[in-house]
Order: sequence, then structure tokens, then C-alpha cells
Amino acid sequence: GESVGLHLPTLSVQEGDNSIINCAYSNSASDYFIWYKQESGKGPQFIIDIRSNMDKRQGQRVTVLLNKTVKHLSLQIAATQPGDSAVYFCAENLSDYKLSFGAGTTVTVRA
Amino acid sequence: KAGVTQTPRYLIKTRGQQVTLSCSPISGHRSVSWYQQTPGQGLQFLFEYFSETQRNKGNFPGRFSGRQFSNSRSEMNVSTLELGDSALYLCASSTGGPGDTQYFGPGTRLTVL
Repeated sequence: GESVGLHLPTLSVQEGDNSIINCAYSNSASDYFIWYKQESGKGPQFIIDIRSNMDKRQGQRVTVLLNKTVKHLSLQIAATQPGDSAVYFCAENLSDYKLSFGAGTTVTVRA
Repeated sequence: KAGVTQTPRYLIKTRGQQVTLSCSPISGHRSVSWYQQTPGQGLQFLFEYFSETQRNKGNFPGRFSGRQFSNSRSEMNVSTLELGDSALYLCASSTGGPGDTQYFGPGTRLTVL
């Protein structure tokens, strides 16, 4: 993926508020999308995924939205907590066994 | 179930040396992928192995190579190290289907002096 337009490299959010992280992906043929969270000193941690035949998927406190028309992906985090502070990456998969990652958004939660 | 493990966690080498990094996938996973993460280039795909065969390869020079063993464990090797090879090298494993979720290890931090 790549980050253009709506992507912000950093996001500061008040604890308890909702967060929205955006990502623009590059290949219209991509059929699988994943959000990862990476904390300092750790590897990326799977958060949620969505297939191209869906436009919304919900998990625990997280929702992913997919808009294939404009090649846009978003991650919504409800009631953001201090433990949500991390770098968030979107990734796209072309069913070719490799992931292409976006540039990442650093989320900082203010107490 | 234990996660993906990578050894060593930290490594310091000098230019011109070679290095071998190791990855043990989640039990039952047969696919292992390698990624390089740097502040400037982000996360970039190196290669992917399944049943000891490389199925896909990223745009890295031939100095970067890998292999997978019959127990699905994988190693990657970088020869003739350059300063620009300093990075976090991440390994991810999956069951091996084209759209299967990849789970990452903690990475090996390589510093080239």
C-alpha cells in the first residue's frame, strides 16, 4: 500500500475518544487487507482483516471499512485507551503470498 | 500456542561480513515470509517460503537469500553487508494459503558498522 491524500503520519487522540486511521492502497486487484499494530521494540501484531467482497468488518473495539471505489481503507478504534498508542499499518495482499505495507500512522493517546 | 520466534534478537556486524538470521514459525504453519523494516523505506517484502520452496521474492539484491527446512523453520542470509542493511528483519508465518493471515515475530535488529 501507499499513503496519499487522507493518510496522516501522526494522530493524537484524547483517551476515551474514537480514533480513525486512514490508508489508501495502491492495487485495485488486491483482495485481502489487514491492519497491524506495532509497539516499540515489537513486531507487527494482527488487529483485524477484511476481504475484498466485504465493505465493513467489526472486532472488539475496532472496525475496518473498505471502499474499493476509491481504494481506501480505514480503521476505527472505539474508546481509545493508552495501550492503543502504537504505529498502525495497513497492508494489502494480491493473493501472491506477499504483503505490501503502507507508511504507517503513529497514534498517541493523551491522558 | 507459541508465537513466531526469531534469533538472535540483536546483532552487530561490520561492513563486508555476512549474517544468518533464524525464524521458527507458529506450530502447524508451513509458510514463512521475511520483511525488512527501515525508517526510510518502511516494511518491504524480501521473500516467502512454503514447503522448502521459494514462492515469491521482493526487489532485493542477490546478497539477500533464504531457505526453509523440512520442519518449516527458515533462515535468511545477507552476504557482504553494507551500512544500508541496518534494519529490523521481521519474519512472519501463516498456514500457506494465498490470503492467509501472516503473524509476525519480534524481529532481529541488525546494525552494520
